[in-house]
Order: sequence, then C-alpha cells, then structure tokens
Amino acid sequence: QQQVKQSPQSLIVQKGGISIINCAYENTAFDYFPWYQQFPGKGPALLIAIRPDVSEKKEGRFTISFNKSAKQFSLHIMDSQPGDSATYFCAASISTGNMLTFGGGTRLMVKP
Amino acid sequence: KAGVTQTPRYLIKTRGQQVTLSCSPISGHRSVSWYQQTPGQGLQFLFEYFSETQRNKGNFPGRFSGRQFSNSRSEMNVSTLELGDSALYLCASSVDGSNTEAFFGQGTRLTVV
Repeated sequence: QQQVKQSPQSLIVQKGGISIINCAYENTAFDYFPWYQQFPGKGPALLIAIRPDVSEKKEGRFTISFNKSAKQFSLHIMDSQPGDSATYFCAASISTGNMLTFGGGTRLMVKP
Repeated sequence: KAGVTQTPRYLIKTRGQQVTLSCSPISGHRSVSWYQQTPGQGLQFLFEYFSETQRNKGNFPGRFSGRQFSNSRSEMNVSTLELGDSALYLCASSVDGSNTEAFFGQGTRLTVV
C-alpha cells in the first residue's frame, strides 16, 4: 500500500504564528505533491502544490518545502489567522493519472 | 465558472440497498475521480475515469463501481450497502488527470442504517 504519513494530527497556533505540517512518503515514483484545505461540510480545496524538481514554492502566506532525498515535504503557514482553522491534507500522486494518496490530515486551530 | 457538482448532498439508505451518486465535473474537465472520506480511514481513492474509461482503481470491493458518460459526468454505485459504507463520498475533476489540479465537489454524505 502506497502511504503518505502526516504529522501532527492536531495543531494549535496563536494568531500571527507559524503553522508547520509535515509529510513523509515512501513511493519514489510520486511526482506531484499537493496540499488541500478542508472546512467542515466542504470538500477539500487545493492550496498549493509542488513537483520534485523544486525544493520550495511560495504562494502568499503558504510555503511548501520539499526534500527529495529524505522523501519529506512540509507546509508552512506564515502569520496564521483564525480563518486558517481547518483540516489540512497533504497528498501525492504519480503522473499516470489523477489518483491522489492522502495523508491522515492535520486539524489546525489558530487562537485569536 | 461552475465548480464540481455532486448530487444528492445527503442520503440515508438501509443495509442491503444500493445507491447511485452523481458528479458533474467542471466544464472542459475530462477526468473524474472518486474518494471515500471517513473519520477512521481518512481520504481513500476509489477510482478514476477518463474519457469514459476507468483508468485507475483503488482497493475497494467490487460492490463499488462507477461509470463516466460522454459529457464527462460520472456516477458511482454501491450495491448491497453495509453500515461501514457510511461516509462522505467526494468527486474530483481535472482537465486531463495527468497530475493537473484536481478540484473537489462538496461531497455526498451517505448514511447507512
């Protein structure tokens, strides 16, 4: 079974702080690594994604760091806001199709 | 531009029944994937359809099936429902499925009683 392991399961951060979520994968054939944000009652929404030919990608307050040799990638949310409180999922896939393998999710709470 | 539309939003079925869920992808998207989300197992891939053909399949029993129509709309069917099939079923569409952005619908919440 291809796996993506995500940590921590839950995270509490103060407003303005940095939220960091980590993921590790096993299958070296993975070549696409997206992060999704999900609010209660909603479907996951794509936040940011990275491919293994780059080590970092930044979009606004969200940054993905990618370490190919360690088979790890992480999401950093800078200046975290209460509106960022949601569940975050990392995922990975192989270019032969739209088949995402998801991590277990991280429930983020940003305290005002 | 309309997003991914899933119908119905909520469904209650009895054990042993069958159910059909529908997904209309974003206009122009040809790949549709289905996922099951449960508190215990998280998000798990069911299957992917591209140009009316099943391209990938996850590790689910044969009671779970799907199809895609020529307009890219997709349906998934679950036969002989079990209590453990209670979940949020999510559909995602992408342009061609080759690691392009996948956009999810709001899901269908299925409860089996």
